[in-house]
Amino acid sequence: DAGVIQSPRHEVTEMGQEVTLRCKPISGHNSLFWYRQTMMRGLELLIYFNNNVPIDDSGMPEDRFSAKMPNASFSTLKIQPSEPRDSAVYFCASSRLRSGNTIYFGEGSWLTVV
Amino acid sequence: AQKITQTQPGMFVQEKEAVTLDCTYDTSDQSYGLFWYKQPSSGEMIFLIYQGSYDEQNATEGRYSLNFQKARKSANLVISASQLGDSAMYFCAMRVVQTGANNLFFGTGTRLTVIP
Repeated sequence: DAGVIQSPRHEVTEMGQEVTLRCKPISGHNSLFWYRQTMMRGLELLIYFNNNVPIDDSGMPEDRFSAKMPNASFSTLKIQPSEPRDSAVYFCASSRLRSGNTIYFGEGSWLTVV
Repeated sequence: AQKITQTQPGMFVQEKEAVTLDCTYDTSDQSYGLFWYKQPSSGEMIFLIYQGSYDEQNATEGRYSLNFQKARKSANLVISASQLGDSAMYFCAMRVVQTGANNLFFGTGTRLTVIP
């Protein structure tokens, strides 16, 4: 089975531009997570969805960040406008909805805002 | 509130030796899962091993084993017969699924370096 698929793998963009990160979760998984990883802050949960519904977005840094999950097989994380401090690795992850179910990560989207 | 603590920012181990990476957790929930992930320099997060809070036996996966001490709230990862390819960041994580909550809480990680 295919794992979690993220795109783009790498993106370099100029400050002020819109960035859209995409994620396809593992088929059959009903929980989807977006994490951000930086050297300073480690791994941070931005938002997660259960059955396509956003449950907790308290980790979303500010209004410039938004996430959607229009169906069970696709999610986006959008940053508009982007700023240099948004430079990080953004991970999408998915799992079935139980504490014993492993959360599987995509390979990450490496974002650099210059 | 849930919390994961990894007190070892970095560890060194000689190739072929065993190493223990420490992890303690805090939760008031009775049902939870404990996970270890490996992050090599290439950046991906690789699932290694899982332990459920009700599991009576310690989990093992190949060279990885999880030393689960529930009363002490610790879930240490033991890597036996270390290999150069084990050099990476290792993250301990806990998952609790409750009404309205479902997340994986991560520790700050331990960087393991295997010395030839």
